[in-house]
Amino acid sequence: DVKVTQSSRYLVKRTGEKVFLECVQDMDHENMFWYRQDPGLGLRLIYFSYDVKMKEKGDIPEGYSVSREKKERFSLILESASTNQTSMYLCASSIPGGSGNTIYFGEGSWLTVV
Amino acid sequence: QQQVKQSPQSLIVQKGGISIINCAYENTAFDYFPWYQQFPGKGPALLIAIRPDVSEKKEGRFTISFNKSAKQFSLHIMDSQPGDSATYFCAANYGGSQGNLIFGKGTKLSVKP
Repeated sequence: DVKVTQSSRYLVKRTGEKVFLECVQDMDHENMFWYRQDPGLGLRLIYFSYDVKMKEKGDIPEGYSVSREKKERFSLILESASTNQTSMYLCASSIPGGSGNTIYFGEGSWLTVV
Repeated sequence: QQQVKQSPQSLIVQKGGISIINCAYENTAFDYFPWYQQFPGKGPALLIAIRPDVSEKKEGRFTISFNKSAKQFSLHIMDSQPGDSATYFCAANYGGSQGNLIFGKGTKLSVKP
């Protein structure tokens, strides 16, 4: 069965802290994604990666960075957390090859910045 | 325009009724239109998808209707059940080998028993 695992489900962090959200997939997928989900705004793409050490900005990359040192692991980094980054973060993965490939999501990480 | 507009934002349907969620897009380069279903506390999961060369696709109680000329597509849930209560997202692929999706803002469906 396909598995995208987000190790931290619920986090509370202070403003200004550096935050790491970790994601691991066991499907040998090349593509990995980080989305942010907010009520009324849907899913917005933060960053994606189509290969190890490769990254591309999505629609809302400001305030975030990512790291992909291994194929199965994709990390989202908030260098200095702010309250407007309180949200649910979703990691996802897929195989390459154009449209029509299913994107598989993890169960989400709820981040509260106080 | 890299947008997919989804309506309604929320929907309440009686058990056994038909749930209809609509989406519209502008970019004719979009070539793949999936629907994702998300239960509370879970990540979205692919429900059903369609390509623009097909006008309708049915899987069980779920049907996508696609109107290419109007640039609209919709999800119909027949005989809606309380277990269908979830948030539904339409999406569109804007090409490229990464298969990146643009998502609608979601519809929260509640099916009352």
